[in-house]
Amino acid sequence: QSALTQPPSASGSPGQSVAISCTGTSSDVGTYDYVSWYQQHPGKAPKLIIYEVNKRPSGVPDRFSGSKSGNTASLTVSGLQSEDEADYYCSSYAGSDLGVFGGGTRLTVL
Amino acid sequence: QVQLVESGGGVVQPGRSLRLSCAASGFTFSDYGIHWVRQAPGKGLEWVAAIWNDGNKESYADSVRGRFTVSRDNSKDTLYLQINSLRAEDTALYYCARGHSTSWHTLDYWGQGILIIVSS
Repeated sequence: QSALTQPPSASGSPGQSVAISCTGTSSDVGTYDYVSWYQQHPGKAPKLIIYEVNKRPSGVPDRFSGSKSGNTASLTVSGLQSEDEADYYCSSYAGSDLGVFGGGTRLTVL
Repeated sequence: QVQLVESGGGVVQPGRSLRLSCAASGFTFSDYGIHWVRQAPGKGLEWVAAIWNDGNKESYADSVRGRFTVSRDNSKDTLYLQINSLRAEDTALYYCARGHSTSWHTLDYWGQGILIIVSS
């Protein structure tokens, strides 16, 4: 049950696109299409923004999109806005009824 | 609207026990699995445990198995987390979160969290 690997930081200017990677193994990301992404603003609870690799919950802007290739999942934020500045966490089902999160990526809007 | 409200945290000495509660409202509690996730100060999220909707099955992270016990009372719409033999590394904000209806480990609603500080 090792944590998924995310870059500690990412950045982009308003209006630009930025991608955040999430690398797991063949025991989690590589096998299951149960990858989720969460956005967390300082002092707030996490918020679900992507689930099952590329599905968006109701109310989440379509600027947020997800994808997966092999053992690596990605979150892309298009048309960056100041309110997108937050911490982003990926998670995956890891088999045997277990879950695992990534270490988190701090997104800075320049 | 869906609400999850944690309680029961505080400052506790190493080796002692504590029970967290998570009161749910705004949805049919007995239809959903519920998870516990923790976040140490300044650190990332860590999945801790989960319990199936009927309470008949639980799962735990390797890091807490044997010390943590998750349970629920569907008649009270409440989830519990019993933590024994507390350690300094258990210091964290503990969130309860609802499992998605079609995707078990997707957490679609979260509480605001409750802080446990383990210190002598």
